[in-house]
Amino acid sequence: EAGVAQSPRYKIIEKRQSVAFWCNPISGHATLYWYQQILGQGPKLLIQFQNNGVVDDSQLPKDRFSAERLKGVDSTLKIQPAKLEDSAVYLCASSDPARGYNSPLHFGNGTRLTVT
Amino acid sequence: QKEVEQNSGPLSVPEGAIASLNCTYSDRGSQSFFWYRQYSGKSPELIMFIYSNGDKEDGRFTAQLNKASQYVSLLIRDSQPSDSATYLCAVKEAGGTSYGKLTFGQGTILTVHP
Repeated sequence: EAGVAQSPRYKIIEKRQSVAFWCNPISGHATLYWYQQILGQGPKLLIQFQNNGVVDDSQLPKDRFSAERLKGVDSTLKIQPAKLEDSAVYLCASSDPARGYNSPLHFGNGTRLTVT
Repeated sequence: QKEVEQNSGPLSVPEGAIASLNCTYSDRGSQSFFWYRQYSGKSPELIMFIYSNGDKEDGRFTAQLNKASQYVSLLIRDSQPSDSATYLCAVKEAGGTSYGKLTFGQGTILTVHP
């Protein structure tokens, strides 16, 4: 099966600019996650979707970050305006809840964002 | 904020030795525990998960869970240089509005030297 697709792979922007990331999960995976991984740290969950509904966005900085998952498939994550501390790898993951509570997360290759 | 703590390391072991990676968690209601491996510049990949107290073995990997102590570990037997990576412990919450939410620790860097 095709894996989780993310684009772009790399992005460099200046602070206060805006940026958007795209994710296409594995076909049929109802649950989609966006994680932020700062260098040297573990991934931090930003937002979790079940189909096109938000399950958890408690750690999403909503004053600057937004995410959507129209039609319950693809998802975009946007940052506007970006800050220096947003420099990180943004990981998209998906899972199939029909496979049970312990169904694994499958990660995409991530987008490495550098804010200068 | 539910926490997952790991020794950041780095942990260095000789080839052929047993590497022991540890993780503690704060939410006593957590149900499932996962170990991911992350090579430098790559995405995390699942090694194994455990949800019952005791040991679970998969090849050279053994996960150990002690819910009373809120402690989970990963043992890697016959460590190889190719095992050199960051190992991430992740804990799944017990449900509610965050069904399936996975919280990661900061990771332990493992280096296996020849």
